[in-house]
Amino acid sequence: NAGVTQTPKFQVLKTGQSMTLQCAQDMNHNSMYWYRQDPGMGLRLIYYSASEGTTDKGEVPNGYNVSRLNKREFSLRLESAAPSQTSVYFCASSEWVQKNTGELFFGEGSRLTVL
Amino acid sequence: ILNVEQSPQSLHVQEGDSTNFTCSFPSSNFYALHWYRWETAKSPEALFVMTLNGDEKKKGRISATLNTKEGYSYLYIKGSQPEDSATYLCASMNSGYALNFGKGTSLLVTP
Repeated sequence: NAGVTQTPKFQVLKTGQSMTLQCAQDMNHNSMYWYRQDPGMGLRLIYYSASEGTTDKGEVPNGYNVSRLNKREFSLRLESAAPSQTSVYFCASSEWVQKNTGELFFGEGSRLTVL
Repeated sequence: ILNVEQSPQSLHVQEGDSTNFTCSFPSSNFYALHWYRWETAKSPEALFVMTLNGDEKKKGRISATLNTKEGYSYLYIKGSQPEDSATYLCASMNSGYALNFGKGTSLLVTP
């Protein structure tokens, strides 16, 4: 099983450039998430999609947009990259169990550097 | 933003020692508490998902308890081994649809 697949794994951008991080899961999960991880900050939620057709802001959404393309795919777009967006980005998916999200399954991460 | 706090920030123990970490989380509108193990250069992997006050879960030498009334959870590792070295994350869900993560406890186990 591939689980959660993210691309690209590494990317270097110049300030002002745009790019899209792709994420796909093959576990038929309803919910998908984008987190960023910075030293000393832990995992912070950028956006999430509770189900196909819906997206919502998380803790740090500024400078990002997302698209839930279908049940499998959830992309994260940086329209005009800034050095503050240098980070490691993780996509995750989960299934709902009653009122609670089941365990998250994470992708391998995408390391983004903005110069 | 609901704060999830973990302590200690880091821990260094000898092989064979038992250890424990603490996670404190908001007790209001509580739905679930998750623990994840995150090895260097890998992705976080779930250890436990707990929802009920008094829940206790165990996986091998690792166990966890949950107190939803006072908002804390403990993770215990019995007889630590070098392969237990990792960052341990807890995350709570308090209404809404997404987990809020703590900053993690970094554990180093030396032979």
